[in-house]
Amino acid sequence: EAQVTQNPRYLITVTGKKLTVTCSQNMNHEYMSWYRQDPGLGLRQIYYSMNVEVTDKGDVPEGYKVSRKEKRNFPLILESPSPNQTSLYFCASSLGLAGGDEQFFGPGTRLTVL
Amino acid sequence: AQSVTQPDIHITVSEGASLELRCNYSYGATPYLFWYVQSPGQGLQLLLKYFSGDTLVQGIKGFEAEFKRSQSSFNLRKPSVHWSDAAEYFCAVAPRYNNNDMRFGAGTRLTVKP
Repeated sequence: EAQVTQNPRYLITVTGKKLTVTCSQNMNHEYMSWYRQDPGLGLRQIYYSMNVEVTDKGDVPEGYKVSRKEKRNFPLILESPSPNQTSLYFCASSLGLAGGDEQFFGPGTRLTVL
Repeated sequence: AQSVTQPDIHITVSEGASLELRCNYSYGATPYLFWYVQSPGQGLQLLLKYFSGDTLVQGIKGFEAEFKRSQSSFNLRKPSVHWSDAAEYFCAVAPRYNNNDMRFGAGTRLTVKP
């Protein structure tokens, strides 16, 4: 089944404790991205990747890191989480950036930083 | 700058009643337009999209949307709502040359009364 998976689905942590949220897709998509969803703000892009070893900042990159060492994986790293990073996070992938390529979303990771 | 407005934060309709969710966008040129649905605990699923041509677009689950250039709107409709349609709905726009620059509205939460 074609899908985007994320782990963990739920995470409660404390300020400053490094964490990684994994994202993996099995569709051989070149493009992957991370969003955060906050009430009243919709989804905002954190980082994206056009291909292996190619990443760039989205609208809200502060406090996050990413890497793309393999085509299928795109982990999101919070090296020193803070309470304002409490949010619902989505990973997405698409074939490319050609006009209107559909983005496929993972199930989300709900992160709480105490 | 491009933006997407969903004027209704929360809508309640009775099962079997018709539904219209509003979406207005601000953009320099006609963008690609999307509607996504997010069921509780799930990721976003594409309902439908508009690229060009017929301004009335049919999607999955019995939804349709109409693009009105003069009003910069892309409203989502369903003639008869089912209890399983209760979810959050997001309108999104993306420029024709770069699907990475997708912008999401804040979302409309739909409650369905029995």
